[in-house]
Amino acid sequence: AQTVTQSQPEMSVQEAETVTLSCTYDTSESNYYLFWYKQPPSRQMILVIRQEAYKQQNATENRFSVNFQKAAKSFSLKISDSQLGDTAMYFCAESQGAQKLVFGQGTRLTINP
Amino acid sequence: GAGVSQSPSNKVTEKGKDVELRCDPISGHTALYWYRQSLGQGLEFLIYFQGNSAPDKSGLPSDRFSAERTGGSVSTLTIQRTQQEDSAVYLCASRLKTLNTEAFFGQGTRLTVV
Repeated sequence: AQTVTQSQPEMSVQEAETVTLSCTYDTSESNYYLFWYKQPPSRQMILVIRQEAYKQQNATENRFSVNFQKAAKSFSLKISDSQLGDTAMYFCAESQGAQKLVFGQGTRLTINP
Repeated sequence: GAGVSQSPSNKVTEKGKDVELRCDPISGHTALYWYRQSLGQGLEFLIYFQGNSAPDKSGLPSDRFSAERTGGSVSTLTIQRTQQEDSAVYLCASRLKTLNTEAFFGQGTRLTVV
């Protein structure tokens, strides 16, 4: 069964600091995709970054990057130079095979001024 | 429309009543998902539609919950005999068929059962 685990319910850092959010997953598939979504207080889910399992190179999107460790089934998100607007819930998700999209429990991130 | 549309945005209902939540996906998206999000919690998978295939209903919490998708487009999630524990935000998402594509979410319906 697909499972996605986020072990940090809440995190808090100062503005401009770097923060890393953890995610582990469990899958028996060889071809799958991993995603990080952001949910600000507006409730709108926004895609932050995606990673293809067959690519060894870690995905990056401006201040956001991932550390994808396939053997360890780990997919952490690093936010550099954090900004107040990064305050949100962050969800890790996995998509495989029949394209069922499974989410973790989320990490509530607060960026303090 | 340009995005996924859900209606109503908010719904207050009395315990025991039936409710219907609607989702209009992005045109051309063959995959449609329903999730439930309790206050401050994660996304609980409910049901998944993919084209003409039989839906994956493995996440529906009880037989009071059902969903249909007509014509491969609009979907309705129905909750019968609502209970207070059904209070949550119900999110709908749609996606193109391919594995790596982004799922686009609606703004959700906040259901409150009193």
